[in-house]
Amino acid sequence: NAGVTQTPKFQVLKTGQSMTLQCAQDMNHEYMSWYRQDPGMGLRLIHYSVGAGITDQGEVPNGYNVSRSTTEDFPLRLLSAAPSQTSVYFCASSYLQGSYNEQFFGPGTRLTVL
Amino acid sequence: DQQVKQNSPSLSVQEGRISILNCDYTNSMFDYFLWYKKYPAEGPTFLISISSIKDKNEDGRFTVFLNKSAKHLSLHIVPSQPGDSAVYFCAASAGDMRFGAGTRLTVKP
Repeated sequence: NAGVTQTPKFQVLKTGQSMTLQCAQDMNHEYMSWYRQDPGMGLRLIHYSVGAGITDQGEVPNGYNVSRSTTEDFPLRLLSAAPSQTSVYFCASSYLQGSYNEQFFGPGTRLTVL
Repeated sequence: DQQVKQNSPSLSVQEGRISILNCDYTNSMFDYFLWYKKYPAEGPTFLISISSIKDKNEDGRFTVFLNKSAKHLSLHIVPSQPGDSAVYFCAASAGDMRFGAGTRLTVKP
């Protein structure tokens, strides 16, 4: 199993550009989520999905869109990048949503917005 | 509104000694607590967890203690090894997971 994979590993954007961060998992997990990690802030939940066709907002959803057309893939779209979106982004998955489910994380995408 | 707080950004200990990492939370609805370990350029990996109905969980060198009345949990690593050097995140869940800011542990040989 590859686990949770993310592409690209690094990305530099100019303000106003759009892009999609890719995330895929091969563990047949129903629950997938996106976090951003900023210094002194820990990991903050952006969006999550409890299954194909179902998505919902987390703590910091503004400026991001998601979709879940398959169980395996959960892309994160930045519609118009802003310097405040400079961060490290982690995708995670778990068997189900809920407290008693360990999440598996991808290696992260380091995004810089100039 | 940080519901999970790790007030020590860094901790340095000698190899073989005990490492104690602390975490405080504010939301009494949290019913599951986890510790994740993160090496540079990698995603966090699950280390150990504890349900709110317990006050201690042990796994090898790692023990997590939960004090619900104080809304406090701690991770003990005994004995500490240089390979334990990493950032440790405390997380708490009531469905969705909230993370602390992390503590960077350095274990010196």
